Amino acid sequence: QVQLQESGPGLVKPSETLSLTCTVSGGSIDSRSYYWGWIRQPPGKGLEWIGSIYYGGSTYYSPSLKSRVTISEDTSRNQFSLKLRSVTAADTGVYYCARHNLPPSNWFDPWGQGTQVTVSS
Amino acid sequence: QSALTQPPSASGSPGQSVTISCTGTSSDVGGYDFVSWYQQYPGKAPKPIIYEVNKRPSGVPDRFSGSKSGNTASLTVSGLQPEDEASYYCSSYASYNWVFGGGTKLTVL
Repeated sequence: QVQLQESGPGLVKPSETLSLTCTVSGGSIDSRSYYWGWIRQPPGKGLEWIGSIYYGGSTYYSPSLKSRVTISEDTSRNQFSLKLRSVTAADTGVYYCARHNLPPSNWFDPWGQGTQVTVSS
Repeated sequence: QSALTQPPSASGSPGQSVTISCTGTSSDVGGYDFVSWYQQYPGKAPKPIIYEVNKRPSGVPDRFSGSKSGNTASLTVSGLQPEDEASYYCSSYASYNWVFGGGTKLTVL
């Protein structure tokens, strides 16, 4: 079955860029059947959708993060990546990647195990 | 798009029923029949338990049910079991934007 795994630095300095990669196994991201997204969870808080990427590189971002986010894909490595610029402490949290069905569905499954990112000097 | 509003906590004794609400707007919950609910245990990734308002994926007990009225969706857990103690998050589609709720911590007394 499809599995997702996040990777990247666990510590990022304020004002720098957070960079994470999601490696997908058991299925191809180069598919018209699914979107591939990033969701984050600040400590003790709820989930926040960051953005998603679709076949051919079409991207969709949360309006609140759009100015700082870039999501890209590397189909040769079956990976997609997140870059979040100018981070502050408010960007600290667990970052998940997940597959989701085509809109208007909001079925996010499966999810990666999540990776903790702390923004601190 | 603002987060969907959920009560921070809910509780019930084993065997009882509990309902968790999720309030949005006509741009998300009220505008689409694409509300999902996710169950999350501490330190684990969320798991979907309800999709398209009231559909259950295979493997999810029928104790879990969903509904929607206007801008408010609800998750009902009937016949509470100890293993239902977890956090629950609602989510709605909102025109190429996906919104989640703040989460409800369900305690089984």
